[in-house]
Amino acid sequence: AQSVTQLDSHVSVSEGTPVLLRCNYSSSYSPSLFWYVQHPNKGLQLLLKYTSAATLVKGINGFEAEFKKSETSFHLTKPSAHMSDAAEYFCVVSGGSSNTGKLIFGQGTTLQVKP
Amino acid sequence: EAGVTQSPTHLIKTRGQQATLRCSPISGHTSVYWYQQALGLGLQFLLWYDEGEERNRGNFPPRFSGRQFPNYSSELNVNALELEDSALYLCASFWVSEAFFGQGTRLTVV
Repeated sequence: AQSVTQLDSHVSVSEGTPVLLRCNYSSSYSPSLFWYVQHPNKGLQLLLKYTSAATLVKGINGFEAEFKKSETSFHLTKPSAHMSDAAEYFCVVSGGSSNTGKLIFGQGTTLQVKP
Repeated sequence: EAGVTQSPTHLIKTRGQQATLRCSPISGHTSVYWYQQALGLGLQFLLWYDEGEERNRGNFPPRFSGRQFPNYSSELNVNALELEDSALYLCASFWVSEAFFGQGTRLTVV
């Protein structure tokens, strides 16, 4: 079975400081991993995805994530937070013969950016 | 290129009624997923349709059902509405390994 755990339900940073949103996954198969962002009253937008190519994945808006198989982690980072980054972030795992095509979402991390 | 579109954006129903939600995937995408985002429960997988067939469903009662039409658009039907069905319902179309989400339908059951 596959699962994903976002280790922090809420993260607060000051504008201009680094962002770290943590995600651990569990998968019996080689997973595809994603980070999505959801701004208030909006749908979900893909930030970046890992599909067994380079382990360091660069996404939109300056975000990046590193796939670490030994640690079963896929943490999302950004060097400098912007006020517009305040949103809900979801780590997602996909793939595997029993869950083909099904996306498993983490519980989400709310990112607060203080001026 | 138009994205995934959902209608209506908001829907208010009374307990016991039926709700119908609609989704149009991106042109050329044959897979449609439905998710429920209820307060405090995160995103829960509901249904997956591909090429007109139901491929998988999440842990929801049978009163949640749907279908996919020949043009790959999809309907989600919720019968005998309960208060706890109040949520944002998101539709996504899937291409290769990426899901593209619509803006959602906010269903409120009173």
